[in-house]
Amino acid sequence: NAGVTQTPKFQVLKTGQSMTLQCAQDMNHEYMSWYRQDPGMGLRLIHYSVGAGITDQGEVPNGYNVSRSTTEDFPLRLLSAAPSQTSVYFCASRSGSQHYSNQPQHFGDGTRLSIL
Amino acid sequence: AQKITQTQPGMFVQEKEAVTLDCTYDTSDQSYGLFWYKQPSSGEMIFLIYQGSYDEQNATEGRYSLNFQKARKSANLVISASQLGDSAMYFCAMNGGSYIPTFGRGTSLIVHP
Repeated sequence: NAGVTQTPKFQVLKTGQSMTLQCAQDMNHEYMSWYRQDPGMGLRLIHYSVGAGITDQGEVPNGYNVSRSTTEDFPLRLLSAAPSQTSVYFCASRSGSQHYSNQPQHFGDGTRLSIL
Repeated sequence: AQKITQTQPGMFVQEKEAVTLDCTYDTSDQSYGLFWYKQPSSGEMIFLIYQGSYDEQNATEGRYSLNFQKARKSANLVISASQLGDSAMYFCAMNGGSYIPTFGRGTSLIVHP
């Protein structure tokens, strides 16, 4: 049971570089999301999607793009990396496309990203 | 807007004792869900327990129970018979009237032998 798979697990970038964090789930979940976790801040939503072709902004979307061409995949793109984007990134998915759900989110193992 | 407050940055408990981790929330939604997640030092996020706003009974999952007091807007996690493996960060979260779930800042629990 793969669940939610994130790659890479670790990445170091230089300021100004771009990259894509990959996320794939095999549970046929409609809702997928990207979070960043910073010390003492909990998890903050970057972008989310409620189905293929449908994405929207979360709390902290600036500097990030997403797309959802299939149910399974939800990549996160950093357009021009900045040191403020140094963080741990989590992808998550859950069943249902409603905003209120009793279903928990399933998280990937996270990507630790450092921007120099 | 939703808000989750976890007022205990760190908690200590003796092995085999019970511990309560506090969570208060604020929302204007009538329908909402409350979740607790565990994050061990290895980093993954693990779902523990769920409580719906219309659930009349407190949720339980093994050694975990959720003390839900709707009028006080609190959803405290109770861990009975603590084990060394319970040492971790614990996050309270909620969803409701928007697609943006809200997470608290977490409580670090350390279980002493």
